[in-house]
Amino acid sequence: IVLTQSPATLSLSPGERATLSCRASQSVSSYLAWYQQKPGQAPRLLIYDASNRATGIPARFSGSGSGTDFTLTISRLEPDDFAIYYCQQRANWLYTFGQGTKVDIK
Amino acid sequence: QLQLQESGPGLVKPSQTLSLTCSVSGGSIRNDNYYWTWIRQPAGKGLEWIGRINISGSTNYNPSLKSRVTMSLDTSRNQFSLKVTSVTAADTAVYYCATAGVPSTGMFAPWGQGTLVTVSS
Repeated sequence: IVLTQSPATLSLSPGERATLSCRASQSVSSYLAWYQQKPGQAPRLLIYDASNRATGIPARFSGSGSGTDFTLTISRLEPDDFAIYYCQQRANWLYTFGQGTKVDIK
Repeated sequence: QLQLQESGPGLVKPSQTLSLTCSVSGGSIRNDNYYWTWIRQPAGKGLEWIGRINISGSTNYNPSLKSRVTMSLDTSRNQFSLKVTSVTAADTAVYYCATAGVPSTGMFAPWGQGTLVTVSS
């Protein structure tokens, strides 16, 4: 299953709303996760099973979708949120990641 | 709280075998809720799932790497390992260990900090 993220880059200002898209080439049910990665760091889980926030993740991060179309929304960007975001799916036992969306400062 | 830490050589020669170990603390590798996982990331590129193993010894590997990958568990040391044979420059990457299974098998958390492996003569 191929995951396609859009846009590749999102240029926004702090306080703005960010909407990131992840589309699967076939249904992944709700097995869709989102990660944030900063330079030199391991990815950090934000959202799992499409809409569940991971432990310690602020409420400004939310996930939605099912089947093939998913969205990660950051309601109001904070300076710490500028990073690369990856979606990831699990189909049976095979996992794949999207190519990433970079959220940078406008 | 579960914590993972990768270790192993940072430089491997082409055609040789890459060997990495992930040490688990804060929990037992015998916990049958977990799948112990390896993921890699070439510099400036995206993430690639390599494979997973659970306490029963059941493994699943990425088909693109399956013929060259072996994972194993060492319950006495609370560690799991990765071997990749016949490496080339394309195997140069940061290698992460991670776990899946709690609260969902569809996600990875936590992750180790990652270790850079360079394939070069």
